[in-house]
Amino acid sequence: DSGVTQTPKHLITATGQRVTLRCSPRSGDLSVYWYQQSLDQGLQFLIQYYNGEERAKGNILERFSAQQFPDLHSELNLSSLELGDSALYFCASSIGGSGEAFFGQGTRLTVV
Amino acid sequence: GIQVEQSPPDLILQEGANSTLRCNFSDSVNNLQWFHQNPWGQLINLFYIPSGTKQNGRLSATTVATERYSLLYISSSQTTDSGVYFCAVRFVSGSQGNLIFGKGTKLSVKP
Repeated sequence: DSGVTQTPKHLITATGQRVTLRCSPRSGDLSVYWYQQSLDQGLQFLIQYYNGEERAKGNILERFSAQQFPDLHSELNLSSLELGDSALYFCASSIGGSGEAFFGQGTRLTVV
Repeated sequence: GIQVEQSPPDLILQEGANSTLRCNFSDSVNNLQWFHQNPWGQLINLFYIPSGTKQNGRLSATTVATERYSLLYISSSQTTDSGVYFCAVRFVSGSQGNLIFGKGTKLSVKP
């Protein structure tokens, strides 16, 4: 158990819908990262938050947004879903902006 | 550009065999991690090794930062070692903290 908790584990939804993925980082970790893993793209960095502030942005679509709350948990919002958004979404956390990162179990999103 | 390259892409072993996985990176790093993604999709931390050598049971890793590569050694492989092994790095010159992943080495250990 990495200490990073993601919910839900599985999600099936229809095209055009909106979903929210939730992540609780390890106790004491201030940085949260979101990654997307699809079959043809590997593990792609989406966005990073540090202590509530956006720190870095990767290849995150405009239909996707995220935030980190005062209690340090984070949510990734995916809207106007398309079939191609089907993927495994990971959250990771680390103590600061550097240091070892630990990953949650992931949320497997299927868009039908 | 900034790159992380892993080799080989696929590896098939007989149980009990040894193997070496390689990760080359294109620039200076301040973090390098090895992960094992099991068949259920979980990413399991193996090593945090921006430089030097570490060992954990049958697994060991070496990073030679000056030559920009890292090696993961698996000895006496078992069927439970099957899965995908990822190298991920944080470049000194890159963004504020995200890890960049290689494409992975898919390992299959046959009984």
